Amino acid sequence: DSGVTQTPKHLITATGQRVTLRCSPRSGDLSVYWYQQSLDQGLQFLIQYYNGEERAKGNILERFSAQQFPDLHSELNLSSLELGDSALYFCASSVAGGSRSDEQFFGPGTRLTVL
Amino acid sequence: TQLLEQSPQFLSIQEGENLTVYCNSSSVFSSLQWYRQEPGEGPVLLVTVVTGGEVKKLKRLTFQFGDARKDSSLHITAAQPGDTGLYLCAGGEDSSYKLIFGSGTRLLVRP
Repeated sequence: DSGVTQTPKHLITATGQRVTLRCSPRSGDLSVYWYQQSLDQGLQFLIQYYNGEERAKGNILERFSAQQFPDLHSELNLSSLELGDSALYFCASSVAGGSRSDEQFFGPGTRLTVL
Repeated sequence: TQLLEQSPQFLSIQEGENLTVYCNSSSVFSSLQWYRQEPGEGPVLLVTVVTGGEVKKLKRLTFQFGDARKDSSLHITAAQPGDTGLYLCAGGEDSSYKLIFGSGTRLLVRP
């Protein structure tokens, strides 16, 4: 158990819908990272928040957005869902904002299926 | 954009055999991490290497960071069925806080 929690574990929805994925980082960690993992794309970095502020952005679609709240939990919002958005979404957390040896600890993931 | 290529993509071996997984890039990374992921679970960090030429050992696993910090290898001695999983390398960039992940090596160790 990494100490990072994600809800829900599974999510099934239809195209065009909007969903929210939730992540609680390890106690004491200030950074939250979101990743998308699909069979043909591997693990892709989406976005990072540090202490409530956006720190780094990856290949995140405009239909996707995220935020980190004062209690440091984070939400990833996916809207106008398409079939290709079906994937595993992981949240990771780390102590600091990212450094040479900053270790990231991953949650169990949310499996999103868009029908 | 920095890319990490892992090889081989798939590896099926018999229990007791040795194996090496490679992680290569044309770019320099400030750090290199190795993760193992099992089906339905998140990646679990195995090791972080930060110095060119660095070698770290974790029981039967040996990790090496290339001298130029562009490549890394993971060597497993006397593989066991419990080593089965997806092995991912991830590079930390000097200029950002992102981790760039390789495509992974799927290892199956047959009893």
